[in-house]
Amino acid sequence: AQSVTQLGSHVSVSEGALVLLRCNYSSSVPPYLFWYVQYPNQGLQLLLKYTSAATLVKGINGFEAEFKKSETSFHLTKPSAHMSDAAEYFCAVSDVRDDKIIFGKGTRLHILP
Amino acid sequence: EAQVTQNPRYLITVTGKKLTVTCSQNMNHEYMSWYRQDPGLGLRQIYYSMNVEVTDKGDVPEGYKVSRKEKRNFPLILESPSPNQTSLYFCASRGQGNSPLHFGNGTRLTVT
Repeated sequence: AQSVTQLGSHVSVSEGALVLLRCNYSSSVPPYLFWYVQYPNQGLQLLLKYTSAATLVKGINGFEAEFKKSETSFHLTKPSAHMSDAAEYFCAVSDVRDDKIIFGKGTRLHILP
Repeated sequence: EAQVTQNPRYLITVTGKKLTVTCSQNMNHEYMSWYRQDPGLGLRQIYYSMNVEVTDKGDVPEGYKVSRKEKRNFPLILESPSPNQTSLYFCASRGQGNSPLHFGNGTRLTVT
């Protein structure tokens, strides 16, 4: 069965610092991986997705994620945090066998001035 | 504009009073799904539908019903709401294969 683990329910970084949000997955077949962002009082928006075309995936708002099969990881990074990045971030996994998407529990990102 | 529309955004009701949360998408997506979001638990799938007249249980279906009579609509029905169904609900749809989900803006339900 697939699963997703996001390390850290809350992460705080200073404005201008590196953002690193961790996601590890388990899947017995090559997965599809997604990062979504949720701003206050809004639904989830797609940040980026991995579908096996390239291991480094660039998304919106300067975010990127690297698929590392050996580590079963898909960590999300941004070189320089901005106050507007404060939100909750969800990692999700699905695979070719079915249409089920499994979400992690989410990481709330706080940006310190 | 491509979107998933949920109504209402906010709903306060009392235990046992039947309610329906509507969801509509304009992207001709076959797949639609309902999730509930609770602090510390992330998103949990309630029901999903692969196509018209085809629905399946997700991880937390107890106390909920759905129907899919038309491709664009996927209402969520609570026949007898209870306080433990107080939550933030999201409808989502997706296209073919492993396309990403498109989410509505959510419905915050409070059952007293």
